[in-house]
Amino acid sequence: DAGVIQSPRHEVTEMGQEVTLRCKPISGHNSLFWYRQTMMRGLELLIYFNNNVPIDDSGMPEDRFSAKMPNASFSTLKIQPSEPRDSAVYFCASSPRGGINTGELFFGEGSRLTVL
Amino acid sequence: KQEVTQIPAALSVPEGENLVLNCSFTDSAIYNLQWFRQDPGKGLTSLLLIQSSQREQTSGRLNASLDKSSGRSTLYIAASQPGDSATYLCARRGGSEKLVFGKGTKLTVNP
Repeated sequence: DAGVIQSPRHEVTEMGQEVTLRCKPISGHNSLFWYRQTMMRGLELLIYFNNNVPIDDSGMPEDRFSAKMPNASFSTLKIQPSEPRDSAVYFCASSPRGGINTGELFFGEGSRLTVL
Repeated sequence: KQEVTQIPAALSVPEGENLVLNCSFTDSAIYNLQWFRQDPGKGLTSLLLIQSSQREQTSGRLNASLDKSSGRSTLYIAASQPGDSATYLCARRGGSEKLVFGKGTKLTVNP
């Protein structure tokens, strides 16, 4: 399996622009998570989905952030409008349900976002 | 508030040394605990997953233990190598699917 695939790997944009980050989870995994990592705050959970349904979005910092999962193999995280304080590495992770690895989290390589 | 603490924040050891990384959490109602490795500029790689019903897991030179009553987990690395240099993070999962992460321990193994 190719693992969790994220794109773009790097994004540099100007304040006010829309940013869309993409994620393809591992096939067969039921849960998908979006995390943000900064030096100051470490890893923070933004939102997670079970079977394509958003379960908890309490970590989404503001209404400027939105996430969708239209099907089991694709999710997006959108920031509109972006601000410099959104600069961070955004990780997508997926997790299987059932079996010996139930609940184990597998991460993508991340999308490094810089907002100027 | 659920918190996960990792001490020390950084550790430097000579090659070949056995070492222990510590992780403590405030809520003992735990579903599982997972240890990750993160190399600079990379994502997190899962090392070991300990379910709440287990006390330890082993993979090669790595051994992770879980003591729910004291709210602690340790990651033991035997015969450390320079290639083990990375940041090690632990994450606790409670009743929901959320994982709460520690800030990590940055390990440097000197040749």
